[in-house]
Amino acid sequence: AIQLTQSPSSLSASVGDRVTITCRASQGISSALAWYQQKPGKAPKLLIYDASSLESGVPSRFSGSGSGTDFTLTISSLQPEDFATYYCQQFNSFLPFGQGTRLEIK
Amino acid sequence: QVQLVESGGGVVQPGGSLRLSCAASGFTFSSYGMHWVRQAPGKGLEWVAFIRYDGSNKYYADSVKGRFTISRDNSKNTLYLQMNSLRAEDTTVYYCAKDVRAALPARFDYWGQGTLVTVSS
Repeated sequence: AIQLTQSPSSLSASVGDRVTITCRASQGISSALAWYQQKPGKAPKLLIYDASSLESGVPSRFSGSGSGTDFTLTISSLQPEDFATYYCQQFNSFLPFGQGTRLEIK
Repeated sequence: QVQLVESGGGVVQPGGSLRLSCAASGFTFSSYGMHWVRQAPGKGLEWVAFIRYDGSNKYYADSVKGRFTISRDNSKNTLYLQMNSLRAEDTTVYYCAKDVRAALPARFDYWGQGTLVTVSS
């Protein structure tokens, strides 16, 4: 089964920083990757789909890139509301989620 | 607007059963695949099951295969998860989630608020 590995597992950053989170697939998955944001006590929210397409209503400071096995989520200028946990997800196999990256305030 | 409202969570003894429901509104329920996803307290997301728009195909995570059954009633706009032979490790928040596609899983564009299942004696 294809597995997704995110790095780092946690990250401390400041408001205004540029942040990049990486997701690596154990096998090639073309561009079939999505990114989600989850805040404590809330359901996840879709941010990016097809590796680089921005979901409607999501701020443009979020961007995604990559194809095959290596993908990145970039937040160009961190805002206070962006501190959350981020997950990558694919459905080429039934282990769809990465383990998550917790983004904390420095 | 799209709404997914889960219900049916609670406390159950090991080996017991529980049925979760997810009432959908704001979209054509019968046109989309649906999922259950769970999350243990402080842990990551774990996909549980998927059912295609017409209920004719279902997929399960290995951890629940043979114990859980996903189903849907398109006349009632409701998704279900029948959980049998429950174990302590099934103690999590269960979310229902809508897929963007009808027949095969792709990604989740809407989620419910979650319902907590606690398996404990």
